[in-house]
Amino acid sequence: GQQVMQIPQYQHVQEGEDFTTYCNSSTTLSNIQWYKQRPGGHPVFLIQLVKSGEVKKQKRLTFQFGEAKKNSSLHITATQTTDVGTYFCAGPNAGNNRKLIWGLGTSLAVNP
Amino acid sequence: NAGVTQTPKFQVLKTGQSMTLQCAQDMNHNSMYWYRQDPGMGLRLIYYSASEGTTDKGEVPNGYNVSRLNKREFSLRLESAAPSQTSVYFCASSDLTGIRETQYFGPGTRLLVL
Repeated sequence: GQQVMQIPQYQHVQEGEDFTTYCNSSTTLSNIQWYKQRPGGHPVFLIQLVKSGEVKKQKRLTFQFGEAKKNSSLHITATQTTDVGTYFCAGPNAGNNRKLIWGLGTSLAVNP
Repeated sequence: NAGVTQTPKFQVLKTGQSMTLQCAQDMNHNSMYWYRQDPGMGLRLIYYSASEGTTDKGEVPNGYNVSRLNKREFSLRLESAAPSQTSVYFCASSDLTGIRETQYFGPGTRLLVL
């Protein structure tokens, strides 16, 4: 079945270091979404990428959608303690776009 | 705008007890979802409702039932709770306008089944 894989599962960085998480889909996606979940919180939408090769920035966060629309990445420049949390990618189910297929997430810990 | 609200926030049940988790959204969204989140398992879809009056199974529907009471409310019922249902439950809603499919999540219900 359709799968979305995320790596790494965990990442521990020193404050100020960069961080990247990667998302790979088994199928071509019409779009990909990124969510952040703070410890003890709920997932919160960050961004949606739609176009092949699309790059979007939100302050220190850079999101990319691959040319084949099967992979994506989230890069954080100069991490801060406020970046701590789990980052999920998700893409529409090929058979039913009302459902999302979720990656397992990358948990980011930042040492001050 | 409260967004998506869930009650209760926490619940402890004994094996075999029943309960209903409530969810409501005030964003006039058509689609609503119930997920469970367990350590290392990500978000797993239990049931969803594409519109008022319709419900469909997700990945892990066994042991659960749902009701889409109206456009605002979508409840999840555990008829006979089992320890394997200990989890954090999230309700979400979305409105498919064009290609935008953002899901908005409630704060979650933390359920412990003893």
